[in-house]
Amino acid sequence: GAGVSQSPSNKVTEKGKDVELRCDPISGHTALYWYRQRLGQGLEFLIYFQGNSAPDKSGLPSDRFSAERTGESVSTLTIQRTQQEDSAVYLCASSLSRNQPQHFGDGTRLSIL
Amino acid sequence: AQKVTQAQTEISVVEKEDVTLDCVYETRDTTYYLFWYKQPPSGELVFLIRRNSFDEQNEISGRYSWNFQKSTSSFNFTITASQVVDSAVYFCALSVVGAQKLVFGQGTRLTINP
Repeated sequence: GAGVSQSPSNKVTEKGKDVELRCDPISGHTALYWYRQRLGQGLEFLIYFQGNSAPDKSGLPSDRFSAERTGESVSTLTIQRTQQEDSAVYLCASSLSRNQPQHFGDGTRLSIL
Repeated sequence: AQKVTQAQTEISVVEKEDVTLDCVYETRDTTYYLFWYKQPPSGELVFLIRRNSFDEQNEISGRYSWNFQKSTSSFNFTITASQVVDSAVYFCALSVVGAQKLVFGQGTRLTINP
């Protein structure tokens, strides 16, 4: 079956622009996560969605970052007024339910010029 | 707060050698899960194993084995008879019940030389 799908795979944009990243989770997975991976670093948690519960936004680094999820399907991560330190790979993961293994997409490599 | 430490930043061995990747974790929760993920050069994260805190049995899967010791808060990963295809960055991660996010270590870059 299809895995987690992310688009675009690469995004280059100018500082100050807004970007929107998309994640299609594995069908049937109720939990969805966003992480950020800076070059040579581990993954930093950003936000978690579980069904219709309020999302856990505790990892969002600033109010320029926001994310939405429609039901148990697609999620979008939006970064407003991008800055150079936002350059990273943004990874989406989904799992069947909480505490189950998370399956990751290939990520979106974001470069801010 | 939870923390995962992978003290080995980089390891380089010759093919067929055994290699152990260390992982030490910190949490005050009594119920938690430990994970290992592999990130090959292509970039995708591949799930390897999940362990819950109540199961200290060691696990073996082919050339891979995991040693979970609560007494030392460690969850080490051993690759036996390493192969070039094992070259990747390996991440250890922790999640606790009630906080579903994974807390990752900084990763260990493993290079297997032919």
